[in-house]
Amino acid sequence: EIVLTQSPATLSLSPGERGTLSCRATFSINSLAWYQQKPGQAPRLLIYSASTRATGIPDRFSGSGSGTDFTLTISSLEPEDFAVYYCQQHGGPPYTFGPGTKLEIK
Amino acid sequence: EVQLVASGGGLVQPGGSLRLSCAASGFTFSSYEMNWVRQAPGKGLEWVSFISGSGATIYYADSVKGRFTISRDNAKNSLYLQMNSLRAEDTAFYYCSTMFAYWGQGILVTVSS
Repeated sequence: EIVLTQSPATLSLSPGERGTLSCRATFSINSLAWYQQKPGQAPRLLIYSASTRATGIPDRFSGSGSGTDFTLTISSLEPEDFAVYYCQQHGGPPYTFGPGTKLEIK
Repeated sequence: EVQLVASGGGLVQPGGSLRLSCAASGFTFSSYEMNWVRQAPGKGLEWVSFISGSGATIYYADSVKGRFTISRDNAKNSLYLQMNSLRAEDTAFYYCSTMFAYWGQGILVTVSS
């Protein structure tokens, strides 16, 4: 089973700064997604297939990477971007999730 | 507008059973693969189960295999999760989802005596 690790566990930044979140897989994968989750809400798909933005996602969100190392970049943080972010491999079951990165306001 | 509305959650004793339902609208349900994902309070996301559009292909997480059964009724635009032999560690918010692009609201299942 593929295990995903995310770093850092918590990222403290200010609005307007650039956010860089990492996700690493134990084996090479070709289908990685990123989700945003706010308290009391369902996850929201941001990126799939490592770098394709989902419908309606602002272009300040971008995904990159391949193999075992992937990155979600938020180019200039807006107040509504502070949330928990999860990566997930969606190439085949089990569709494992990473433990999450909490992006908090500094 | 795509809508996924889950129901059937609640409090159940260890060893008990519960059936979750997810009513879908706003898309051609039978054409979409569906999943259940859960999240223990304050914890991360855990994929639970997958079912293909026809229902012919099904997968489960090891943590629920043999206890949970996923099914669907395409005539009723509905997805189900039958949960048996429930344990305290099954306590979570359960989400129904297409292939993770659309999500329903979480429905809380609490397993406690």
